[in-house]
Amino acid sequence: DAGITQSPRHKVTETGTPVTLRCHQTENHRYMYWYRQDPGHGLRLIHYSYGVKDTDKGEVSDGYSVSRSKTEDFLLTLESATSSQTSVYFCAISGVQGYGYTFGSGTRLTVV
Amino acid sequence: TQLLEQSPQFLSIQEGENLTVYCNSSSVFSSLQWYRQEPGEGPVLLVTVVTGGEVKKLKRLTFQFGDARKDSSLHITAAQPGDTGLYLCAGAKAAGNKLTFGGGTRVLVKP
Repeated sequence: DAGITQSPRHKVTETGTPVTLRCHQTENHRYMYWYRQDPGHGLRLIHYSYGVKDTDKGEVSDGYSVSRSKTEDFLLTLESATSSQTSVYFCAISGVQGYGYTFGSGTRLTVV
Repeated sequence: TQLLEQSPQFLSIQEGENLTVYCNSSSVFSSLQWYRQEPGEGPVLLVTVVTGGEVKKLKRLTFQFGDARKDSSLHITAAQPGDTGLYLCAGAKAAGNKLTFGGGTRVLVKP
């Protein structure tokens, strides 16, 4: 059984609409992360969380917000989707900051 | 410019050949990790190296952490089509820091 699941796996949305991606873990890990992966840029950190209601920005946080109301769930919201946010989004978890990340299977988001 | 530079960006070889992927930086890292990512899936952790000069082996894969802890390499012996994927290195500059990822090396092993 996967300890981390992302939903949805695929989504197509229109420019200007809000979108929420969900990451759910069953490992009770403290740290959760949202990355985006684009050709030529590798994995870039959007936001991360170090506990319930404790979040911080990553290197590409503009246009994104996050919430973590429970240990197991970390939500990523695109407040008003733009075409530049078309990407594959990955959630990751770890029990120790910076050590041994477990990734979800990703969400492919297309903004048209 | 990325903090961790991987080379080459793309590598295509025949089954049975050897290959080496490099991960370089001008910064010192407390640990380096290697991940492999297959199409449509998230990266999967292969190994973590934490000591300068450390060598770890995982079947046909050999990982080395540079003496100065600024670089790492991944060597695959007798590559197989199942080794095909995107290989990512990632480092933490200090214990408790977030990971920084390299741009990745895409490996294609042809049967």
